[in-house]
Amino acid sequence: ETGVTQTPRHLVMGMTNKKSLKCEQHLGHNAMYWYKQSAKKPLELMFVYSLEERVENNSVPSRFSPECPNSSHLFLHLHTLQPEDSALYLCASSQVYPTPGELFFGEGSRLTVL
Amino acid sequence: GENVEQHPSTLSVQEGDSAVIKCTYSDSASNYFPWYKQELGKRPQLIIDIRSNVGEKKDQRIAVTLNKTAKHFSLHITETQPEDSAVYFCAANGGNNRLAFGKGNQVVVIP
Repeated sequence: ETGVTQTPRHLVMGMTNKKSLKCEQHLGHNAMYWYKQSAKKPLELMFVYSLEERVENNSVPSRFSPECPNSSHLFLHLHTLQPEDSALYLCASSQVYPTPGELFFGEGSRLTVL
Repeated sequence: GENVEQHPSTLSVQEGDSAVIKCTYSDSASNYFPWYKQELGKRPQLIIDIRSNVGEKKDQRIAVTLNKTAKHFSLHITETQPEDSAVYFCAANGGNNRLAFGKGNQVVVIP
């Protein structure tokens, strides 16, 4: 596997469930990101980790909990979500942070909250 | 922070014609302007970017122009093909080097 991979690609969960999204990058990058993509809206930055340390948390509700155990892996733990949290969640990486350079995205995890 | 606006939201063009998408930004300290393409069900991918020390950059059928005075930059696609159908996102880095994305433009190339 090369690039940025995300699992699962699709997830349906009830509001009381607990689930996790996983992201793995094989590029040797030092920074990893979670973005939320909703229809007709700009990409919303949720969290950034640089060298495994959280450096950005853009007013994201506590029902979203990120985890970065090492520079290659990033998780997003989900708990008691709301229907408006249904969206495509994209993981990305970059060589350094902050960077005026390329972000490498995964294919996303499509989340539906019932 | 930086605020990026994209126009139009949807653009339909005949195959072979040119497509132009324009973005405006608010932070005059922005110096990096990438464009990402996202095909249906696929990941966003960088297709071209420009830095503030140049006014235009080309890569085959794709070009980006930058007008720092007016704070806008545009993506130009010439000789459009069906595989150009996608959503295109522009972004600007702002003075704090944190990318702000526009809402995206849906480009439809009609065969």
